[in-house]
Amino acid sequence: GQNIDQPTEMTATEGAIVQINCTYQTSGFNGLFWYQQHAGEAPTFLSYNVLDGLEEKGRFSSFLSRSKGYSYLLLKELQMKDSASYLCAVRPNTGGFKTIFGAGTRLFVKA
Amino acid sequence: DTEVTQTPKHLVMGMTNKKSLKCEQHMGHRAMYWYKQKAKKPPELMFVYSYEKLSINESVPSRFSPECPNSSLLNLHLHALQPEDSALYLCASSQILGGNTIYFGEGSWLTVV
Repeated sequence: GQNIDQPTEMTATEGAIVQINCTYQTSGFNGLFWYQQHAGEAPTFLSYNVLDGLEEKGRFSSFLSRSKGYSYLLLKELQMKDSASYLCAVRPNTGGFKTIFGAGTRLFVKA
Repeated sequence: DTEVTQTPKHLVMGMTNKKSLKCEQHMGHRAMYWYKQKAKKPPELMFVYSYEKLSINESVPSRFSPECPNSSLLNLHLHALQPEDSALYLCASSQILGGNTIYFGEGSWLTVV
């Protein structure tokens, strides 16, 4: 079966750094995505990793280790507007390029 | 233009009604998707179209009927829905099936009464 695990909720302080972890077990692997979703809005693409290592994009970075079935999203210099759900999504190697979403991590940024 | 546009934003329909959700993109993307998302749950894939042909149907009940009239448009026809079908319906697109960036529309909030 396909399984994606991430913490349900996290709280962090404005200006700090937070790391959101994601572990997955899927039938093969063809890429991992991170999305940000504010309440009542559509998911917004943040990053895509298909090879091991760190991808940096401004305040956001995403890391992947395929051998460990593990990824994290790193958010630096947190701002209040970063309060949102962060969805980890994996594309298995089967099923015609389906993307399977994790349940999401709700991040609360406090002043 | 990196927009996926969905209409209507909100829809309330009775269980005997027939309605449609519409989705449009002008990015030249050839893969389009319908997802369903319940509150505090992740999006669940319903249908995938690739080059205007249905590529994936995730065992969705026949009361949901997708249609892709051309490469820019994707419709979801709704008939005889149940209250449990109330959810946020998200349209998305990517350059091709398997593309590494999927753009989502803002969604259509559906309430079935």
